[in-house]
Amino acid sequence: QKEVEQDPGPLSVPEGAIVSLNCTYSNSAFQYFMWYRQYSRKGPELLMYTYSSGNKEDGRFTAQVDKSSKYISLFIRDSQPSDSATYLCAMSDITGNQFYFGTGTSLTVIP
Amino acid sequence: GAVVSQHPSRVICKSGTSVKIECRSLDFQATTMFWYRQFPKKSLMLMATSNEGSKATYEQGVEKDKFLINHASLTLSTLTVTSAHPEDSSFYICSAMGGAETQYFGPGTRLLVL
Repeated sequence: QKEVEQDPGPLSVPEGAIVSLNCTYSNSAFQYFMWYRQYSRKGPELLMYTYSSGNKEDGRFTAQVDKSSKYISLFIRDSQPSDSATYLCAMSDITGNQFYFGTGTSLTVIP
Repeated sequence: GAVVSQHPSRVICKSGTSVKIECRSLDFQATTMFWYRQFPKKSLMLMATSNEGSKATYEQGVEKDKFLINHASLTLSTLTVTSAHPEDSSFYICSAMGGAETQYFGPGTRLLVL
């Protein structure tokens, strides 16, 4: 079983839709949870970062962590064509010595 | 926010030559830097972890004599692809970590070996 599972998509939504991206994981020791956005031919950029369980909101983006279910989500409200990218989840334990990435979900927002 | 740069952003070289890629943390000291390789439509593959002043730790299957990593200072790590071959063509990304929180990624270097 992989440490982190993420549906690769592709996911295609109309502009203005709410997008839900998810990852599941198996290691209960994970404490830090991150979402990265990667545009084609660019390095990943950190989008959201959360510690332990709970929600975190930043503009149109909301990250949720449910440690009891080992499930994390990224919600994008009022999606825009500029949100079209690959979204990678990542997580690590308290030491931060190793990060585990999902395979990434390819998102296209259609104008 | 934390900024990580990579140089060059793009390089084309002949088979058999060596290529050096630099990764710099511009506004913070990175005790740990990571080197990744990304194949088309694939996720990041961790190649090695380097800590300042010590030898890099390579992931299984990554040839340490082919991919030389030097983390000489708290702001600079280099990856040298020695005797590059066409199969080494890829997108190489570094990331830097200053504490136990998260990684900040460089913009990536696209290597094409002819």
